[in-house]
Amino acid sequence: DTGVSQDPRHKITKRGQNVTFRCDPISEHNRLYWYRQTLGQGPEFLTYFQNEAQLEKSRLLSDRFSAERPKGSFSTLEIQRTEQGDSAMYLCASSLTIGEEQYFGPGTRLTVT
Amino acid sequence: AQSVTQLGSHVSVSEGALVLLRCNYSSSVPPYLFWYVQYPNQGLQLLLKYTSAATLVKGINGFEAEFKKSETSFHLTKPSAHMSDAAEYFCAVSPPYGNKLVFGAGTILRVKS
Repeated sequence: DTGVSQDPRHKITKRGQNVTFRCDPISEHNRLYWYRQTLGQGPEFLTYFQNEAQLEKSRLLSDRFSAERPKGSFSTLEIQRTEQGDSAMYLCASSLTIGEEQYFGPGTRLTVT
Repeated sequence: AQSVTQLGSHVSVSEGALVLLRCNYSSSVPPYLFWYVQYPNQGLQLLLKYTSAATLVKGINGFEAEFKKSETSFHLTKPSAHMSDAAEYFCAVSPPYGNKLVFGAGTILRVKS
């Protein structure tokens, strides 16, 4: 069990640039979740996938954000035209199925300058 | 809608003393409840979960929590704090077989030698 991995661990970008993050879930897990965590707050749900289907998106996920999970394996989260308010830790989690424990990756820390 | 309130953003205890981290929840349906721990620059690790079985739940590292429906609480305790327990702790709620976790703002635990 190699756990959930995320890449990169840190990203510094200038305002207005696009960024893409990758998440590799635990191999047999068919559910994948994205959360955002800002300083001093708990993680907030962004979106989740059941295999390759994106089944729910939070209102936090503006039209500048897009997530994909091609072939139900790894997932990417893209932020277009980044803003300083996008600076946060982006966490990915996976679970075997609905209602099961969510296993979290180490996160990608985004800093927008 | 579901929500979580963690009382006390910072808690400080002496090594060997009782740890008590408070969590109150709001849920319109019988909830699943979780405690996660986060060490600096790491993802979240599940300590324990309540899924409508026994109200006293035992987790890893000597932690336990008791579900009290009448008080809408799920406080986390450990009889004797260790230096290694210093971290940030998050309480989270989801509906049964839910798709996402709703987290509290977190409590930073400091352990004094």
